[in-house]
Amino acid sequence: SQQGEEDPQALSIQEGENATMNCSYKTSINNLQWYRQNSGRGLVHLILIRSNEREKHSGRLRVTLDTSKKSSSLLITASRAADTASYFCATAAYNTDKLIFGTGTRLQVFP
Amino acid sequence: KAGVTQTPRYLIKTRGQQVTLSCSPISGHRSVSWYQQTPGQGLQFLFEYFSETQRNKGNFPGRFSGRQFSNSRSEMNVSTLELGDSALYLCASSLALGGDYEQYFGPGTRLTVT
Repeated sequence: SQQGEEDPQALSIQEGENATMNCSYKTSINNLQWYRQNSGRGLVHLILIRSNEREKHSGRLRVTLDTSKKSSSLLITASRAADTASYFCATAAYNTDKLIFGTGTRLQVFP
Repeated sequence: KAGVTQTPRYLIKTRGQQVTLSCSPISGHRSVSWYQQTPGQGLQFLFEYFSETQRNKGNFPGRFSGRQFSNSRSEMNVSTLELGDSALYLCASSLALGGDYEQYFGPGTRLTVT
């Protein structure tokens, strides 16, 4: 079963716009990670945020984590056509080493 | 540093057969995890190996098994294939047990069962 649910399931925007994706999870976690997957390929790690962190940046990516609401968001600023991909959150719950992936958000960025 | 490699990349098998998929992790990585990805179920965790021992297992039937060798390379085996086993099988490696570290994924093996 999936730990995380992403919202929205799909998102279409124009180049230059910002894209925001949300992830909600069910149990207490050690950390939360975001990954990107280009069509039918392996996943690429984007960012890891630990449970004691509230916000993290990496280039055009900004991730927030609200453990009280069991939710996280990924913001991609100034989107490019190359950002077109599926984005997944993944959580590692307490007392487990398993990394459980959410359902994913499909992002389409139009030139 | 070479990335995670998976072989074969594509595979077509018949229902009832068995299949073995291979994964070579990034040099120095001791943890290897396997995932099944389908349009209906998304990314499902299969199992994780660390130092040749299975450390975690997902909710899959016993037809799915795996192993890890002393050089950290891993194989997964699916016996008595069913149509529903058609999926993209992804392998990922990390420095230590996967939950606390970023995982590096291979390109996947696309298995089609007819």
